Amino acid sequence: AQSVTQPDIHITVSEGASLELRCNYSYGATPYLFWYVQSPGQGLQLLLKYFSGDTLVQGIKGFEAEFKRSQSSFNLRKPSVHWSDAAEYFCAVGPNQAGTALIFGKGTTLSVSS
Amino acid sequence: DAMVIQNPRYQVTQFGKPVTLSCSQTLNHNVMYWYQQKSSQAPKLLFHYYDKDFNNEADTPDNFQSRRPNTSFCFLDIRSPGLGDAAMYLCATSRDSKGREQYFGPGTRLTVT
Repeated sequence: AQSVTQPDIHITVSEGASLELRCNYSYGATPYLFWYVQSPGQGLQLLLKYFSGDTLVQGIKGFEAEFKRSQSSFNLRKPSVHWSDAAEYFCAVGPNQAGTALIFGKGTTLSVSS
Repeated sequence: DAMVIQNPRYQVTQFGKPVTLSCSQTLNHNVMYWYQQKSSQAPKLLFHYYDKDFNNEADTPDNFQSRRPNTSFCFLDIRSPGLGDAAMYLCATSRDSKGREQYFGPGTRLTVT
């Protein structure tokens, strides 16, 4: 079955430190991969996406992610975290078996300490 | 700027009283989605429209209905809200239905009293 796993429910990082959020997926074919960010009380904003080609993709707000087929992973990274990065991060893959929707992970909450 | 707009941002309704949430888009996308997101959970797809074709998820309760009168607008109707329907409702759009990126609105926070 298609699924997305975000192993870390909550991560705390010091401001200025590097960040890596993990995402593993189970998918029968080459997936489309996404990272979304959600600030409290807000909708989801697309950070970056991977469809094909270069496995290291750059996104907005200084984020990047690397697709590793052998590990079925699509981890999100940022070299230096800012306090404004505190939010909920969702990894998603698509499409689902019906060929329509995205499959979301349960999310990782990022807290940034000063 | 092209965007997805949801109104209202906050909605309070009484138990059993019908409520309608609104979504509009200026992206001219073919597909519009409605998600339900409960606290600390991932968004859960309720249904989507590809143009005028309605696609319901198998586990979406009958209490939830949707209308798409034109390309730009899509409505979520909850016929008899229960306390368990209190959630954030997110509207999203995508250019097509092939699992490509979806663009989300800011959401409507529904409270049921």
